[in-house]
Amino acid sequence: KQEVTQIPAALSVPEGENLVLNCSFTDSAIYNLQWFRQDPGKGLTSLLLIQSSQREQTSGRLNASLDKSSGRSTLYIAASQPGDSATYLCAVQGDTGFQKLVFGTGTRLLVSP
Amino acid sequence: KAGVTQTPRYLIKTRGQQVTLSCSPISGHRSVSWYQQTPGQGLQFLFEYFSETQRNKGNFPGRFSGRQFSNSRSEMNVSTLELGDSALYLCASSLGQVDNSPLHFGNGTRLTVT
Repeated sequence: KQEVTQIPAALSVPEGENLVLNCSFTDSAIYNLQWFRQDPGKGLTSLLLIQSSQREQTSGRLNASLDKSSGRSTLYIAASQPGDSATYLCAVQGDTGFQKLVFGTGTRLLVSP
Repeated sequence: KAGVTQTPRYLIKTRGQQVTLSCSPISGHRSVSWYQQTPGQGLQFLFEYFSETQRNKGNFPGRFSGRQFSNSRSEMNVSTLELGDSALYLCASSLGQVDNSPLHFGNGTRLTVT
């Protein structure tokens, strides 16, 4: 059974800092790994999707890496801003490719001005 | 392009009642999946529908059911509500082919069972 863990559970940083969020999963037979952000009371917004054959994906100030063999992914946020404050969730999709995601526990990020 | 629309946004029900939640996917998306989010269990997969067929099911009791219509809109139903069913229910849509298209989530329906 796939299990996904995120560390740390919460993070508070001053504006401008670079930061790294961690995600680990127990079963390396994945189709892809996705990072989402969730604002309070809202749904999830897709940030990055890394296919199982890829090592990293970048979008603006965000960079996500994937090491499938060790069951790890990191989300790097450069020059953090108060608007980045949200809960960040990673999720893995099983290797059938069907749309069943197993989510991590999330990292709650607070960026102070 | 309109996003994923879920109705209603908020719902209050009493134990024993049943409830139906609705989800309209992004135009052209044929896969709709449902998730339950609670503070204790996090986000858990309920089921996925593709072309009106349930393609995948999570580990939830039979009180939770769903369906998808020919226009890809989906509904989920929970019968005999329990206090523990209080949660944010999220719907997501995607193109649905076995590929790497990301999921697009709606803002959810907040269900409170009293």
